[in-house]
Amino acid sequence: VQLVESGGGLVQPGGSLRLSCAASGFTFSNFWMSWVRQAPGKGLEWVGQISRDGGEKHFVDSVKGRFTFSRDNTKNSLYLQMNSLRAEDTAVYYCASEGSGTTFVSWGQGTLVTVSS
Amino acid sequence: DIQMTQSPSSLSASVGDRVTISCRARQSITSYLNWYQQKPGKAPELLIYAASSLQSGVPSRFSGSGSGTDFTLTISSLQPEDFATYYCQHRGTFGPGTRLEI
Repeated sequence: VQLVESGGGLVQPGGSLRLSCAASGFTFSNFWMSWVRQAPGKGLEWVGQISRDGGEKHFVDSVKGRFTFSRDNTKNSLYLQMNSLRAEDTAVYYCASEGSGTTFVSWGQGTLVTVSS
Repeated sequence: DIQMTQSPSSLSASVGDRVTISCRARQSITSYLNWYQQKPGKAPELLIYAASSLQSGVPSRFSGSGSGTDFTLTISSLQPEDFATYYCQHRGTFGPGTRLEI
């Protein structure tokens, strides 16, 4: 199982960024997927999740209306579109595959997003 | 969302020690509780799922117990590679973490 995030970088407040997560080594379309972030020196924060077919999505309150998820099961890829970025969104963003009961079974290496002017 | 707390927030121990980390939920979560280990600069790794089931590949010195609101992660004999931060998690909520130091 391998999950590889990409797309992180430096963005100004109010800007947008799209992260990608490329999956391999498992049947991607069979799994719910989540994004989890970690601000520098802080703990883990679940950002949200997307269902197997992409039809159901859940977000933490702090990103509702600004972030959205999508997936392309033909490309074994997960995406996180982040709009209206704020300084407090600065974090390493991880994608993770889910097992039953919202268990984060496998994780990517993470990609750093820095929101700063 | 259900709030999760962990204790202690940090812990100093030695190789060979038996260590216990606690996690508490504000209300009953039956056995929907997972534990992760994170080393500096690395992604978290799943250790224990459903409160007491050992994830494949995780050494047997790690064990989990509890149900309802109170849960425990135990490391029976600390090894050098176990010094890390440990998080409990229930659905969309992580505990604040316990830093295990030498």
